[in-house]
Amino acid sequence: QGQLVQSGAEVKKPGSSVRVSCKASGVTFNDRTFIWVRQAPGQGLEWMGGIISLFGTPNYAQKFVGRLTMTTDESTSTAYMELSSLTSEDTAMYYCARDASDSHYEAFDLWGLGTMVTVSS
Amino acid sequence: AIQMTQSPSSLSASVGDRVNITCRASQGIRNDLGWYQHKLGKAPELLIYAASILQSGVPSRFSGSGSGTDFTLTISGLQPEDFATYYCLQDYNYPRTFGGGTKVEIK
Repeated sequence: QGQLVQSGAEVKKPGSSVRVSCKASGVTFNDRTFIWVRQAPGQGLEWMGGIISLFGTPNYAQKFVGRLTMTTDESTSTAYMELSSLTSEDTAMYYCARDASDSHYEAFDLWGLGTMVTVSS
Repeated sequence: AIQMTQSPSSLSASVGDRVNITCRASQGIRNDLGWYQHKLGKAPELLIYAASILQSGVPSRFSGSGSGTDFTLTISGLQPEDFATYYCLQDYNYPRTFGGGTKVEIK
C-alpha cells in the first residue's frame, strides 16, 4: 500500500519562507501529477498548485504566483512545496496528493496526512 | 479561473436519508470533476472521479452524475461514517478549483 509522508509541523515568522516535503513510497512517482492543497482554520480546501514529476512545469493558483515554488526530486521520490513572504493568512494545514489516474482525468487517491504551518510573530 | 459553486454549504440529515450535493461550474468542464470527502483531522479521500466513476473501495451508496456545468454527488442511505465535508474539484483546466464545500451534519 502506497503512502505519502509529509514533513513535520512548522512555526514561522511573518516574512519568512517554509518548505514542506512529501515523500512517496510504494507507488509510482515519475510521470504523476502531485498537487498541494491547504486548509486554513475554519475554511475550505484550496488548490495551490500542481506539478507533473519528471516533466516538471508547475501550475500555480494566481494568488500564489511569485511566492510559491513546487518541485520534485525523482531520485528520492519526493515532492516539495516552498512558500515565501509568509503572513498570518498562510497559517493552515498543507496537504500533498498524488494522481493515480493513467487517463486525462485526475483522481487524487493518495494524500499525505498534512503539515501544519503556523505563521506567528 | 473557473468558479465552482457548491450547494448547499451545509445540511442536516438523518442516518438512512438520501442526500444530494451539487456543484455548478462557471463554464463547461465536460466531465472533468472529482468529489472528495474530508473529515476533521484527516486527509481528504477520493470518492468519485470523471464525474461518475466510483473510486475503488468506496461504498456503492456514493454516486456522481452530471456533465458540462452541473454535477451532483448523491449519498443513498446516509451512514454514521458519512458525516463529513464534501468538496468538488474541477480538473478541466488550470488553475484547478474546489467548490466551497458542503458540511453534512447529523439531524
